[in-house]
Amino acid sequence: EAGVVQSPRYKIIEKKQPVAFWCNPISGHNTLYWYLQNLGQGPELLIRYENEEAVDDSQLPKDRFSAERLKGVDSTLKIQPAELGDSAVYLCASSSQTGSSEAFFGQGTRLTVV
Amino acid sequence: SQKIEQNSEALNIQEGKTATLTCNYTNYSPAYLQWYRQDPGRGPVFLLLIRENEKEKRKERLKVTFDTTLKQSLFHITASQPADSATYLCALGGDFGNEKLTFGTGTRLTIIP
Repeated sequence: EAGVVQSPRYKIIEKKQPVAFWCNPISGHNTLYWYLQNLGQGPELLIRYENEEAVDDSQLPKDRFSAERLKGVDSTLKIQPAELGDSAVYLCASSSQTGSSEAFFGQGTRLTVV
Repeated sequence: SQKIEQNSEALNIQEGKTATLTCNYTNYSPAYLQWYRQDPGRGPVFLLLIRENEKEKRKERLKVTFDTTLKQSLFHITASQPADSATYLCALGGDFGNEKLTFGTGTRLTIIP
């Protein structure tokens, strides 16, 4: 069974440019998460989806970040415009159900804003 | 304010000994707690889950305890091996019914041959 697939693996952009990350969760997983991880820190939740509904986006900086999960499967996270402080690893995870079930993570996208 | 603290940034343990990692939390009431392993350049990988009504969980050389009075979880790796070297993250969930999974900062464990 394929795991959570993220692309691109690495991205370098200039500040003020837009960037998008893509995530394909494990088949059948209804819950999808986007996390941000800074070096030496634990993952911080940006947004959580149940099917196509964003049920927790309280930590998403909505002035520049947006996300969508069309048809409740793949998801895209976008930043526009990117700032230097957005440099981090963006992790996508999925789980079969909300509540106590383990989360399966992708390898992440390492974003560098210069 | 809410806080999840893992005992130290880095922990060095001699091969064969037991490694004990600590996760303390403040102003949370989690229904469950999970432990993950993260290798450099990879996403976290789930290891164990323990619920608030469970005191202890075991899986092979791993053992997790959960003390809701002390607001603490201990994660033990017995007979440690160099391959156990990684960053270990605790994560809390089900806080007051909120299914958001909140992670600690992690402990980088190195097993010295």
